[in-house]
Amino acid sequence: DAGVTQSPTHLIKTRGQQVTLRCSPISGHKSVSWYQQVLGQGPQFIFQYYEKEERGRGNFPDRFSARQFPNYSSELNVNALLLGDSALYLCASSLNFQETQYFGPGTRLLVL
Amino acid sequence: DQQVKQNSPSLSVQEGRISILNCDYTNSMFDYFLWYKKYPAEGPTFLISISSIKDKNEDGRFTVFLNKSAKHLSLHIVPSQPGDSAVYFCAASRSNFGNEKLTFGTGTRLTIIP
Repeated sequence: DAGVTQSPTHLIKTRGQQVTLRCSPISGHKSVSWYQQVLGQGPQFIFQYYEKEERGRGNFPDRFSARQFPNYSSELNVNALLLGDSALYLCASSLNFQETQYFGPGTRLLVL
Repeated sequence: DQQVKQNSPSLSVQEGRISILNCDYTNSMFDYFLWYKKYPAEGPTFLISISSIKDKNEDGRFTVFLNKSAKHLSLHIVPSQPGDSAVYFCAASRSNFGNEKLTFGTGTRLTIIP
């Protein structure tokens, strides 16, 4: 079975632009979570979605938004990009919100 | 406020010996703990977990110990192998909230010396 997949793998944007990152969960998994990992730090929780509903939100500004589709894939949107948004964005999926989360390879975003 | 701390940024261990990675937490509401391993250019890979109702969990070469009174957990790898060289993250959650939010430490880079 394929693991969690994310696209694109790398992305370069300029300040003020908007970006959309995509995630496909493991087949059968209904929950998707998003994390931001800044260099030298551990991943930080951004959002969790289960059955297309937001179940949790981390301490991130409203510029960050996400959604989950009927096929359980998910998108993370970031508006008005700042230099500090440069990071590795990780998606994790789980069977449901109570199960172990399995991570994708991430999307590396560089904001210039 | 760093609720999960890994105070050793790096650790070097001889192949075949025991690797011990440590993690401390401050939030007494955490009751489920996980270890993830991360290679460069890959996402974190789940290794092993432990619930607060236990003090030890084993899976092959990996054992996690939990000391709730000290708010401390450790991951033991025996014997250490070159393929174990990676960054290890400790993570914690509150299971009554359904594990929707994992709080991670900053990671420990483990290097196994052949």
